[in-house]
Amino acid sequence: EAQVTQNPRYLITVTGKKLTVTCSQNMNHEYMSWYRQDPGLGLRQIYYSMNVEVTDKGDVPEGYKVSRKEKRNFPLILESPSPNQTSLYFCASSLVTGKRNTEAFFGQGTRLTVV
Amino acid sequence: AQSVTQPDIHITVSEGASLELRCNYSYGATPYLFWYVQSPGQGLQLLLKYFSGDTLVQGIKGFEAEFKRSQSSFNLRKPSVHWSDAAEYFCAVVPMNTGFQKLVFGTGTRLLVSP
Repeated sequence: EAQVTQNPRYLITVTGKKLTVTCSQNMNHEYMSWYRQDPGLGLRQIYYSMNVEVTDKGDVPEGYKVSRKEKRNFPLILESPSPNQTSLYFCASSLVTGKRNTEAFFGQGTRLTVV
Repeated sequence: AQSVTQPDIHITVSEGASLELRCNYSYGATPYLFWYVQSPGQGLQLLLKYFSGDTLVQGIKGFEAEFKRSQSSFNLRKPSVHWSDAAEYFCAVVPMNTGFQKLVFGTGTRLLVSP
């Protein structure tokens, strides 16, 4: 089954404790991205990756890191989480043909609470 | 400023009644257009998309959307709403000026279905 898998689904952590949210897709998609969803703000892009070893900032990259060492994986790293990073996070992947992004497939989401 | 606007934060519709959710975009060139649905506790699922061609697009679950270039709109419609349609709906675009690479979301419309 084609899918995007995020782990964990729920996470409560303390301020400053490094954490990683994993994302994996089995569709051989080039493009992967991370979004955060906050009430009244919709989904905002944090980082995206056009392919292995190619990453770039989205609209709200501060406080986050990513890496793309393999095509299928795109982990999101919070080196020193703060309460304002409490949010619902989504990973997405899509096929890019002729440099044109097609529909995105989303993971189930990770609800992160930083206390 | 370039943006995607969903003017209605909440909409309540009676079961069996028709539905229209509004979406407007402000980009110089017509972007790719999408509607996604997010059911409670779930990720985002693509309902339909418009790249070019016929301006009336059919999607899954009985939804359709009409692209109107003159109004920069891509409104979502359903002739008869079911209780299971209660969810949050997001309009999204892939703007031409990003090389069709970036997915930009509206702030979402929460649909409530009354008996």
